[in-house]
Amino acid sequence: KAGVTQTPRYLIKTRGQQVTLSCSPISGHRSVSWYQQTPGQGLQFLFEYFSETQRNKGNFPGRFSGRQFSNSRSEMNVSTLELGDSALYLCASSVGQGAPGYTFGSGTRLTVV
Amino acid sequence: AQKVTQAQTEISVVEKEDVTLDCVYETRDTTYYLFWYKQPPSGELVFLIRRNSFDEQNEISGRYSWNFQKSTSSFNFTITASQVVDSAVYFCALSGLHTGGFKTIFGAGTRLFVKA
Repeated sequence: KAGVTQTPRYLIKTRGQQVTLSCSPISGHRSVSWYQQTPGQGLQFLFEYFSETQRNKGNFPGRFSGRQFSNSRSEMNVSTLELGDSALYLCASSVGQGAPGYTFGSGTRLTVV
Repeated sequence: AQKVTQAQTEISVVEKEDVTLDCVYETRDTTYYLFWYKQPPSGELVFLIRRNSFDEQNEISGRYSWNFQKSTSSFNFTITASQVVDSAVYFCALSGLHTGGFKTIFGAGTRLFVKA
């Protein structure tokens, strides 16, 4: 059974650009959550999608957005990148909406220069 | 408000020692879940255990054991006879049921070094 797949693994972008990250959940999982991990702030919840609808959102500016497709794959987008957006972005999937049984992907490491 | 405190930033032990990682949480929710995750250098968060707020039974899985005490709002994790492969960052997390679903917050993590 394939795990949670995140692409790309590494990304370097320039300040002001935008970026799109992709997450394919485990087959049969309908919930996808996104987290940002930085040395200073730790792991912070970005948002959760279930059945193509955003169910929960963390305290991030509107530059951070996401969506989920009918096959449960999810993308997150960050517009007008800032240096502080450099982080490891982790995606997690679970069978149903909410917390129980998260399975995480390996993450996308974004560097903004 | 929810909060997870992992007071130990780093712990260093010698192989075969037992080590306990502390986790204290705060929540007003009556329904919540507690988790432990391991993050090795590769970066992926590995799920170790989930406990719901109505199940205070302690659990043992091989060399790992967890002690959940609602009276002290703690969910501590013990590794018995530690091994070098246990070296990683360990995160405690809390998911509370809010309007719209669960929200999960993580502690700051405890970095464990196991020396041969």
